[in-house]
Amino acid sequence: EIVLTQSPDFQSVTPGKTVIITCRASQSLGTSLHWFQQKPDQAPKLLIKYASQSISGVPSRFSGSGSGTEFTLAINGLESEDAAAYYCHQSGTLPRTFGQGTKLDIK
Amino acid sequence: QVVLLESGPGLVRPSETLSLTCTVSGDTINSGDSSWVWFRQPPGKGLEWLGHIFSARSAYYNPSLGRRVAILAGPSEFSLKLTSATAADSAVYYCAREDSTFESHWGRGIRVTVSS
Repeated sequence: EIVLTQSPDFQSVTPGKTVIITCRASQSLGTSLHWFQQKPDQAPKLLIKYASQSISGVPSRFSGSGSGTEFTLAINGLESEDAAAYYCHQSGTLPRTFGQGTKLDIK
Repeated sequence: QVVLLESGPGLVRPSETLSLTCTVSGDTINSGDSSWVWFRQPPGKGLEWLGHIFSARSAYYNPSLGRRVAILAGPSEFSLKLTSATAADSAVYYCAREDSTFESHWGRGIRVTVSS
């Protein structure tokens, strides 16, 4: 199965700053890589699909890039509501897999 | 507006079958080209894809579950059955719909504990 490794595992950032989360895949995914946000006691929410495609209703400060085995999620102009766990997820090969998650704390 | 709602027992005895249902409103399962998916998340841990069913017929499962898992679909609901439950199956279980463009709708999740 494809292993997704996210970095960092945890980051604490002040509001207004930019954070970059990286997801590396053990095999090439093309662009079949998606990003989810999960707040405590809530279901995950799709932020970015197919590496860089935006989702209706998701703020434009969230953006994704990458292809193959390396992908990034950028959050520009962090807001307090962005405190959450972020997961990358691949749908290119079964079984579908997730990264271990990145917990983002807003100072 | 598609809404999904998980239901089932919150407590399952070890070795018994964990059975959950996802009731769908705003769409029908056997129409179109959507996938109907089950995920889970053990307490304090990350997300795991369990499997999905497509066109109410073709099901795909995570090999990590072996032959314990089955996903079945009806016109307005789909179910997850996980046999021989153990404490490792304790988790929040989520159902979801994904369309052909990967736009997804998730249920709010249901917490299941496997314990005697």
